[in-house]
Amino acid sequence: DVKVTQSSRYLVKRTGEKVFLECVQDMDHENMFWYRQDPGLGLRLIYFSYDVKMKEKGDIPEGYSVSREKKERFSLILESASTNQTSMYLCASSSQTPISNQPQHFGDGTRLSIL
Amino acid sequence: GIQVEQSPPDLILQEGANSTLRCNFSDSVNNLQWFHQNPWGQLINLFYIPSGTKQNGRLSATTVATERYSLLYISSSQTTDSGVYFCAVESELFQGGSEKLVFGKGTKLTVNP
Repeated sequence: DVKVTQSSRYLVKRTGEKVFLECVQDMDHENMFWYRQDPGLGLRLIYFSYDVKMKEKGDIPEGYSVSREKKERFSLILESASTNQTSMYLCASSSQTPISNQPQHFGDGTRLSIL
Repeated sequence: GIQVEQSPPDLILQEGANSTLRCNFSDSVNNLQWFHQNPWGQLINLFYIPSGTKQNGRLSATTVATERYSLLYISSSQTTDSGVYFCAVESELFQGGSEKLVFGKGTKLTVNP
């Protein structure tokens, strides 16, 4: 089975702090994704990466950056955390194929609170 | 962009009842996934179903791509089925073949004993 591991289930930080959320997958997947989930809004894509050192903006990238130095690890960075970034953050990975037909597999999520 | 609408938004059942959840999408899609998010927040793949019908135990799903909808059937529901069910469609490909998933807002299911 695919295993996507997020470093923390719960995290509390203060406004203005630099926050790192880490995600590791063990299936040699090329694609990795960061979403945030908010009540009434569902899941929204923040950033994704299709290869080491490659990144693409999703629908709501403002206030976030990402890093992918190794294939198995994808980090989400909040440069200066703000209260409106309090949310559930979900990481996912998937395999690339010539014809895209591979499902995304999700980690357990990180509930981040910014005080 | 593509719109994904799920109905009903909330559903309360007694254990043992059957239910149907619906997902409508506004444009043609390359693929569609159903997920279950349990009360602890874990998001689990249920089905990967661009068209046709698939079954897995008490759950089955049907996608009619030409009519732009998908249905998730839950039979003989159990309390462990509680949670939020999401439909997500894959509508475009990014560089490298990465797919972009667009999620509906979900159906919150509560199964009472």
